[in-house]
Amino acid sequence: DAKTTQPTSMDCAEGRAANLPCNHSTISGNEYVYWYRQIHSQGPQYIIHGLKNNETNEMASLIITEDRKSSTLILPHATLRDTAVYYCIVRVAASLTGANSKLTFGKGITLSVRP
Amino acid sequence: NAGVTQTPKFRVLKTGQSMTLLCAQDMNHEYMYWYRQDPGMGLRLIHYSVGEGTTAKGEVPDGYNVSRLKKQNFLLGLESAAPSQTSVYFCASSYNSVGRNTEAFFGQGTRLTVV
Repeated sequence: DAKTTQPTSMDCAEGRAANLPCNHSTISGNEYVYWYRQIHSQGPQYIIHGLKNNETNEMASLIITEDRKSSTLILPHATLRDTAVYYCIVRVAASLTGANSKLTFGKGITLSVRP
Repeated sequence: NAGVTQTPKFRVLKTGQSMTLLCAQDMNHEYMYWYRQDPGMGLRLIHYSVGEGTTAKGEVPDGYNVSRLKKQNFLLGLESAAPSQTSVYFCASSYNSVGRNTEAFFGQGTRLTVV
């Protein structure tokens, strides 16, 4: 799996957009960018993923640079409940052997949303 | 639809005792994973499985064994528990298919203390 690097922490004001960056300079052509978050000690929760086009769902938007070496997760209107650790992960979506599909987490970025 | 269920939720073991953690998923997922999470750290992959009857080592496999005899179940065993294995354990599962949503679903965690 390609490695990702994220800042350790960031904060934003409630109601403002939270832009979480991620670098994945060694990403392969068939690897997707996935984002998960973990609130308190709960199990991680899937947010969004993409290959090369920008993606949007009800939770967030994912912006991937044209060279695919970095991406940004955007929470358009952060709330206090969005305070969590956010993980950026790159992996292939499918694999005959599964070796490249294992889901490996780094330390993530801690987002603190302040009132 | 229960998703991913972990049993038990809490457990206290004495050093040297053995136990098995059970992970069950009802989504017909091919992939299953076991992670541990220590305070202030991200999730570390212990073992994973790409299908029934197959298992593979992750980042921190020592001291653990796994089995995937049925597609829906992934068992994590500790043969001789050590205090260093005190942790929160998470199980996850996902599809292996480009055409399907390959997000991983996580269980609620098992909090294990070895004294």
